[in-house]
Amino acid sequence: ETGVTQSPTHLIKTRGQQVTLRCSSQSGHNTVSWYQQALGQGPQFIFQYYREEENGRGNFPPRFSGLQFPNYSSELNVNALELDDSALYLCASSSYLSGGAGDTQYFGPGTRLTVL
Amino acid sequence: AQSVTQPDIHITVSEGASLELRCNYSYGATPYLFWYVQSPGQGLQLLLKYFSGDTLVQGIKGFEAEFKRSQSSFNLRKPSVHWSDAAEYFCAVGGTNAGKSTFGDGTTLTVKP
Repeated sequence: ETGVTQSPTHLIKTRGQQVTLRCSSQSGHNTVSWYQQALGQGPQFIFQYYREEENGRGNFPPRFSGLQFPNYSSELNVNALELDDSALYLCASSSYLSGGAGDTQYFGPGTRLTVL
Repeated sequence: AQSVTQPDIHITVSEGASLELRCNYSYGATPYLFWYVQSPGQGLQLLLKYFSGDTLVQGIKGFEAEFKRSQSSFNLRKPSVHWSDAAEYFCAVGGTNAGKSTFGDGTTLTVKP
């Protein structure tokens, strides 16, 4: 089975611009979660998509938005970039069964975003 | 609100020595607990997880962790560290949906030859 992939690997943007990051889920997974990992910190949950619908959101402003496609790949969009948005963005896929337990997240290698 | 504290920012051990990484959590219900490892330039890899049952959990690469509800802890252990274990280790807590986990800020492990 193929793993989780993310593109691009690195990205440099300037403040105020918009960015789109992409994630391909592991085969058979219906759920993708996005995390922001600032330097020296642990990943912070941004939001999750389950069967193309947002299924929970962390403490991030609306300029962080996402999409999940029928093939369960996903995008993270960030508008009006700020300097503090510089971070490693990780996506993770899983097979979440509503009300179930035991699902495991599989992480991609991440996209390193630098905002100048 | 759920939270995770990893009290040790950086730990250095000699190769072959034992290792214990500490993790304390706060969670309002039955916690689901995870340990991940992150090597430079790579994503996170799951080492082990605890959902229920036996409080001593075995994982990959010779790691184990013990859930202690009374202490709100989930410490990671390895009896003999290898140089390849040098990495960043993250503890996380969540509910049934692992995709909404809360992570600690990590512990960096350095292994001396």
